[in-house]
Order: sequence, then C-alpha cells, then structure tokens
Amino acid sequence: SQQGEEDPQALSIQEGENATMNCSYKTSINNLQWYRQNSGRGLVHLILIRSNEREKHSGRLRVTLDTSKKSSSLLITASRAADTASYFCATDARAQGGSEKLVFGKGTKLTVNP
Amino acid sequence: DAGVIQSPRHEVTEMGQEVTLRCKPISGHDYLFWYRQTMMRGLELLIYFNNNVPIDDSGMPEDRFSAKMPNASFSTLKIQPSEPRDSAVYFCASSLIRGGQPQHFGDGTRLSIL
Repeated sequence: SQQGEEDPQALSIQEGENATMNCSYKTSINNLQWYRQNSGRGLVHLILIRSNEREKHSGRLRVTLDTSKKSSSLLITASRAADTASYFCATDARAQGGSEKLVFGKGTKLTVNP
Repeated sequence: DAGVIQSPRHEVTEMGQEVTLRCKPISGHDYLFWYRQTMMRGLELLIYFNNNVPIDDSGMPEDRFSAKMPNASFSTLKIQPSEPRDSAVYFCASSLIRGGQPQHFGDGTRLSIL
C-alpha cells in the first residue's frame, strides 16, 4: 500500500502567501524526501530529512518531521507564481532493509495565483 | 552536466504493438529506476537496477513488461504486446550509491496505446 500520503490534494493561494503541505506515512523510515514536479516534466528533488532530524531549511523551504506521528510538512514561504507545481513526499523502505527504494505519495497540486 | 535522458518523449501506437522506452542515466550513478505515473495510481515503481543488475521487479505489472540494463549508460523498458491500459507517463531515474541519496528523474515518455 502507499507509504506516503499528501494532504491536501490541491491548494490554491495568492502570490506572497505561505503554502503548507503535509505528508503521512505508515512504517518506520530512514529518511523522507520532498520532490516537485512541473507540468509535463520529471520530478525534481527538493530536500531530504533524516529520521533523526526534526527540521530542515533550504532557501524558502522548511521541512519538519515528526516520527512519533509519522508525519512531515513542507512549508514554502513567500510563494511565487513559479512555485506552481505538484509536490510529492517519498519515503524509503526501511522496514524492507533498504533505503534506495522510494515510495511516493500522490502529491499535492499547488497553484500560486499572481 | 547532462541529466537523465529518456526517449522518445511521446509515443503513440496501436494496441498489440511492441513499445521500447529508452533511458540514459547520469554518469556515475549506481542505481536506475523505472516508474509509471497515472492519475489513478500515482507514481509506481516498476523495477530498479544496481550496477546493471535487476534488484526488485515486483512492481512490473505482468509478463508483457520487461526491462534490461546491458551497460551502465543505457536501459530499456519494453512492453510486448501493448494494451490501452498501459497508457501512462513512464519515468526513468538514477541515483548514487545507497544511503538515502536523491533520485534524479528524466522528463518521461508519455505513452498512448490506441
């Protein structure tokens, strides 16, 4: 079954606002990654957070991880129209002994209106 | 630095025909992954290779699907015979040696089976 599930499925905001997307997963993980996909393109890696980390920043991105709740959030601050894309969380298969295999959620479709 | 290269970008063919999708991973990457993306099922891992050897093909839907990696710089995914339900976007991704490394995706092949 799907390991990561994003929430909400779709999010529409105005430029300059913050966007928060959530991800829940079911089993123990080594790390959790966030990816972005523009329409008609492949996924692009944004940020990786390890199971022993609680928060990580990269530019306008902030990711949190709560292993006790098996959840993560991605915050994009001061959003821009160019941030319009689908965002996916991906978890590794720690329970299966490996971390190279990822399981992706179905994504959150973010629309940033100018 | 070239990313993952997939060809063709679009393929339209009739049911029953053989389809071959191609992928050139990033030089030096040890892992190669094939995914399928549909609206209904999201992004599904079909098969992945480590150092040209198939490691896990449990996601391959049925015997009509086969994948090969004859060398470190080339992989193919073949569908024979193709069916309308195989219509999807197929992605190839590569990554460095295990340990939670990000995956680098190509821009995919949009496959339509009529």
